[in-house]
Amino acid sequence: DVKVTQSSRYLVKRTGEKVFLECVQDMDHENMFWYRQDPGLGLRLIYFSYDVKMKEKGDIPEGYSVSREKKERFSLILESASTNQTSMYLCASSSGQGSYGYTFGSGTRLTVV
Amino acid sequence: QKEVEQNSGPLSVPEGAIASLNCTYSDRGSQSFFWYRQYSGKSPELIMFIYSNGDKEDGRFTAQLNKASQYVSLLIRDSQPSDSATYLCAVNRGRDDKIIFGKGTRLHILP
Repeated sequence: DVKVTQSSRYLVKRTGEKVFLECVQDMDHENMFWYRQDPGLGLRLIYFSYDVKMKEKGDIPEGYSVSREKKERFSLILESASTNQTSMYLCASSSGQGSYGYTFGSGTRLTVV
Repeated sequence: QKEVEQNSGPLSVPEGAIASLNCTYSDRGSQSFFWYRQYSGKSPELIMFIYSNGDKEDGRFTAQLNKASQYVSLLIRDSQPSDSATYLCAVNRGRDDKIIFGKGTRLHILP
């Protein structure tokens, strides 16, 4: 069964910490995405990548960065965590062309205290 | 105008009835349309996609697309309590691989 795996299901971090969220897919997909999901705001795109070492800003990139050193792995980095970054973070991948939809990971619920 | 609009609900439907979920989109050039189901605390799961005008059926689910009206719907026949979830409509505009998601409709099936 094809999968998108996020390294942590729940995470609690302190304000100011550097936080790494890892995502690995085993489907040989070119495209990978990071979203956050908050009640009433829906899914908001943070960053995405169409290729190794390539990244593009989504709708809300402020306070985040990403890394894609290998095709299967896409990392989201919170440089200095703040309480307003408490959220559900979802990683997704796709094979390209937008025709087949995204496969999502199980999500990481991050709480910043 | 929001790119993908859905009624937030909740939509309450008796068990065994047909649940009808609706979505409109603003970009007339959109090419691919998706329905995701999301249970509380879980991640979205793709349940249907449709590319052409008309109906597409898969088990108890039917997706309907009307490009002229920029309207997508999802029908769930013989609704079950396990269908209670939030349903996200999503659209690919065809220019790249980015999918635009609606905020979702909460569906509650009444036993």
